[in-house]
Amino acid sequence: QVQLVQSGAEVKKPGSSVKVSCKASGGTFSSYAISWVRQAPGQGLEWMGGIIPIFGTANYAQKFQGRVTITTDESTSTAYMELSSLRSEDTAVYYCARDKTPTYYYDSSGPGAFDYWGQGTLVTVSS
Amino acid sequence: DIQLTQSPSFLSASVGDRVTITCRASQGISSYLAWYQQKPGKAPKLLIYAASTLQSGVPSRFSGSGSGTEFTLTISSLQPEDFATYYCQQLNSYPRFTFGPGTKVDIK
Repeated sequence: QVQLVQSGAEVKKPGSSVKVSCKASGGTFSSYAISWVRQAPGQGLEWMGGIIPIFGTANYAQKFQGRVTITTDESTSTAYMELSSLRSEDTAVYYCARDKTPTYYYDSSGPGAFDYWGQGTLVTVSS
Repeated sequence: DIQLTQSPSFLSASVGDRVTITCRASQGISSYLAWYQQKPGKAPKLLIYAASTLQSGVPSRFSGSGSGTEFTLTISSLQPEDFATYYCQQLNSYPRFTFGPGTKVDIK
């Protein structure tokens, strides 16, 4: 059974950075894309970016380009999302999520959907 | 960028009702659409992928249909545990994805 376990809640000052981790267990880490999705209080889901661990190349939503960095450590099956220049509007729950389709099937079927999610990490930005 | 709209934004229904939620894409996305259910304080749960394929373990009262730009999620007989917010997601514009704004299903 696949599990994604995220790091704990953070409180950050405006202008600082935060790095959230997402450790995977069960399944093959390298072959499945990991995305980061955030949800501000009372708001909807917002895709921030994703990475395929075996390739190590991340893609980001235009809104977060230049401010977010997504990386992985295959040795520990952990994905990371770092968001810099934090402002109050970045206060949100941040989720990692795994694509259900292994990347080697993308040519034939394309990406799937997000079948496993972390428990979420609350990041509060406040002075 | 592909935009998704959902209608209605909010609906009030009773146990046993048939409920339909619509998701429209700003351009064609083939069948690269997923539906999620989210309850307060919890991570989203995948219900439907590839527009109409039921995720393993999801009750058969949930169904999805559509292709191109218009999609629907139907709950054939609403159960107490189905009161939640539902989101659609497009995966056509890989490697970038977007979610719809959500539809909250509340108890009448």
